[in-house]
Amino acid sequence: KNEVEQSPQNLTAQEGEFITINCSYSVGISALHWLQQHPGGGIVSLFMLSSGKKKHGRLIATINIQEKHSSLHITASHPRDSAVYICAVRGADSNYQLIWGAGTKLIIKP
Amino acid sequence: EAQVTQNPRYLITVTGKKLTVTCSQNMNHEYMSWYRQDPGLGLRQIYYSMNVEVTDKGDVPEGYKVSRKEKRNFPLILESPSPNQTSLYFCASSLAQTWRDYNSPLHFGNGTRLTVT
Repeated sequence: KNEVEQSPQNLTAQEGEFITINCSYSVGISALHWLQQHPGGGIVSLFMLSSGKKKHGRLIATINIQEKHSSLHITASHPRDSAVYICAVRGADSNYQLIWGAGTKLIIKP
Repeated sequence: EAQVTQNPRYLITVTGKKLTVTCSQNMNHEYMSWYRQDPGLGLRQIYYSMNVEVTDKGDVPEGYKVSRKEKRNFPLILESPSPNQTSLYFCASSLAQTWRDYNSPLHFGNGTRLTVT
């Protein structure tokens, strides 16, 4: 079993829909990262969380440390949100290494 | 502009022909890392470096070498490439001067798509 599991693997939705992508992990962590990989391949960091919730524009990330679970929400989704969304965690006893999820491929149709 | 620059973007080569993928960052970051990305497997770390002259193996180091002679550069070397090294490669960097910086964001290069025939 992978230490970081993302669901769903693939998600197709209509423009305007509310999107939720989930990340569950099995290790104690010091932080959780959400990243976005554009269709052209480039990867950008979206959020880094150790507790609670963060918001940036239409993106919201939440984390529940007790349940070892994080969600990434997109409100009023748009075709330009189409990308692969990747979750990664840093273990609490890790020197610096991230454990990566396999990613969720999101397609937003106009 | 703050960035991580990888070159080349695309590379097609033959088995056994040594190659180097360059990575340079202009943010004075201590931490640099190489990843490969394969369909269905996500990102896997090849090597990382905490600072100049300090490098360590990641999860999939076999067949790769790195060096960190200067803070800004972290080249990835394939001494004798094989077809199973066909992949999309990413270099990343992050500020990591103290423990509290370990959770600073990663900055990625644009990727290098390598094909070994």
